[in-house]
Amino acid sequence: NAGVTQTPKFQVLKTGQSMTLQCAQDMNHNSMYWYRQDPGMGLRLIYYSASEGTTDKGEVPNGYNVSRLNKREFSLRLESAAPSQTSVYFCASSEGGAGLGDTQYFGPGTRLTVL
Amino acid sequence: EDKVVQSPLSLVVHEGDTVTLNCSYEVTNFRSLLWYKQEKKAPTFLFMLTSSGIEKKSGRLSSILDKKELSSILNITATQTGDSAIYLCAAIQGAQKLVFGQGTRLTINP
Repeated sequence: NAGVTQTPKFQVLKTGQSMTLQCAQDMNHNSMYWYRQDPGMGLRLIYYSASEGTTDKGEVPNGYNVSRLNKREFSLRLESAAPSQTSVYFCASSEGGAGLGDTQYFGPGTRLTVL
Repeated sequence: EDKVVQSPLSLVVHEGDTVTLNCSYEVTNFRSLLWYKQEKKAPTFLFMLTSSGIEKKSGRLSSILDKKELSSILNITATQTGDSAIYLCAAIQGAQKLVFGQGTRLTINP
């Protein structure tokens, strides 16, 4: 039981390049989330998926797209990376929604640098 | 605008001291408040607080929510070096969203 896994762990991109961050969970959770964490700003929600087949914008969705490929996997895509997207990205999952009282479990994070 | 504010942003104490971390929130459709501990990597869950005035405890850590004051505190007694971490609070908004504070960086010196 690996919990929430993310790949890659580290990535360096040049401005304008694209990439996809992968996230998978093996806890049969319905809801999945993508956050970014910047120094002094806590975590900010980028996108979330309440259930397979649905996705919704969070607080800072601009410059990102997501795909809920199946119940296990939720990917985050940067189409044209910008230096402002340099951050640590966390994926999380929960059985139901946060508002139902279900704990969110976090992956280990991806440290992304955009030059 | 929804926001969660934590204070202090940084705190350095000696082992054995007691610390109190603060979290205030202004969030529409507020449901509950969460506390997380973040060491080197992913945040790990500490507490969920839904009802006002009911203290939750886990070992040396305790937390309480005050819905009238829109705030919460996290207390750590008899601190140890292993308590050094960033402590995050987050407000649950509606069915799905968490709004996080900036975090408090706690350093415990031996």
